[in-house]
Amino acid sequence: DQQVKQNSPSLSVQEGRISILNCDYTNSMFDYFLWYKKYPAEGPTFLISISSIKDKNEDGRFTVFLNKSAKHLSLHIVPSQPGDSAVYFCAATANTGNQFYFGTGTSLTVIP
Amino acid sequence: GAVVSQHPSRVICKSGTSVKIECRSLDFQATTMFWYRQFPKKSLMLMATSNEGSKATYEQGVEKDKFLINHASLTLSTLTVTSAHPEDSSFYICSARLQGHGTRYFGPGTRLTVT
Repeated sequence: DQQVKQNSPSLSVQEGRISILNCDYTNSMFDYFLWYKKYPAEGPTFLISISSIKDKNEDGRFTVFLNKSAKHLSLHIVPSQPGDSAVYFCAATANTGNQFYFGTGTSLTVIP
Repeated sequence: GAVVSQHPSRVICKSGTSVKIECRSLDFQATTMFWYRQFPKKSLMLMATSNEGSKATYEQGVEKDKFLINHASLTLSTLTVTSAHPEDSSFYICSARLQGHGTRYFGPGTRLTVT
């Protein structure tokens, strides 16, 4: 049962434009959401997170938006850079628990 | 951010032998560490949760006698793949969580190849 879903396996964006990666979840108990970036043969790198008490969190070029009613979150990268090309995973957890659910990932390619 | 290391980064072993992978939290103490396995083109699969000073909790379908986990200190957890088979070849990643914090930090991963 996939509780966190990333329905787009891949995305291509021109350098300088905005990249929007989407993630949906089903469990209303989730209250903490994270985005990770992963290069091949490396571990995921933490990018940005958001608590369910917020609907937006911004860190430099990265902004995460959370829509609790729709059970949807998105990661915006602007401007996109070629070095952003990687696989992006969203993850969700109930903050006090050990269960941590990953989406299946979206492979982002930023075209120079 | 917090740093998690893994050793070795790559290992090749013969079928039937055992391999130990270490996971260390370098600048924080982690009472709980997590071991994941990544299959090609798939998401990370949680194998087990490693608890300092107690037995690990394994996910359904993961053989605890095959994947031995030891969390001997607040900064070190080890995963030993016993009697390795070629189908155990995979990318193994550990993760640690700051106490009282939801964010998990991941190690760089270990590529295991069993010949």
